[in-house]
Amino acid sequence: NAGVTQTPKFQVLKTGQSMTLQCAQDMNHEYMSWYRQDPGMGLRLIHYSVGAGITDQGEVPNGYNVSRSTTEDFPLRLLSAAPSQTSVYFCASSYLGTGIDGYTFGSGTRLTVV
Amino acid sequence: GQQLNQSPQSMFIQEGEDVSMNCTSSSIFNTWLWYKQDPGEGPVLLIALYKAGELTSNGRLTAQFGITRKDSFLNISASIPSDVGIYFCAGPCTSGTYKYIFGTGTRLKVLA
Repeated sequence: NAGVTQTPKFQVLKTGQSMTLQCAQDMNHEYMSWYRQDPGMGLRLIHYSVGAGITDQGEVPNGYNVSRSTTEDFPLRLLSAAPSQTSVYFCASSYLGTGIDGYTFGSGTRLTVV
Repeated sequence: GQQLNQSPQSMFIQEGEDVSMNCTSSSIFNTWLWYKQDPGEGPVLLIALYKAGELTSNGRLTAQFGITRKDSFLNISASIPSDVGIYFCAGPCTSGTYKYIFGTGTRLKVLA
């Protein structure tokens, strides 16, 4: 049972480039979300999805797009990377959308934008 | 907006010592969750609390849901080197059922 798998683990982008961070889970969780982690700021919610075909914005959605075509996958797209998007990105999933059962996190993608 | 403040921000302790940390909110929470993040990994759920006054243990870890519902506490007894990491509190955001907020974290370093 792999849990939540994120790829790539590390990435360096130039300003203005685009890329997609991949997230897949094999636990049949309906709820999936993306967070970014910056020093001293904890984890901030970017986008989330309560099921295939349904997405919504979190606290810091600007500059990011998501889609959810299957229950298993929830990719995060950076359309035009900026240095302010340098961060560690985590994908998380849970069985209950409220998250009171706790989230399962991936191991993260460390992104540097130069 | 809602904020979760954790203290202390970081702490060094000797192996074998007990550790206490807390999390305070500007608004009432109905659920508190505590996570631990090991270096280079994602957070892992340690303890979930669902009722004011509730005290729950997980091995050497004990967490409490504050009576005011605006705070929560985590204690680690007899710390060991593998306790090193960042501890986060989290709870559901009142602005949306499907949103969580996380505290800023307490970084724990254990000296052998």
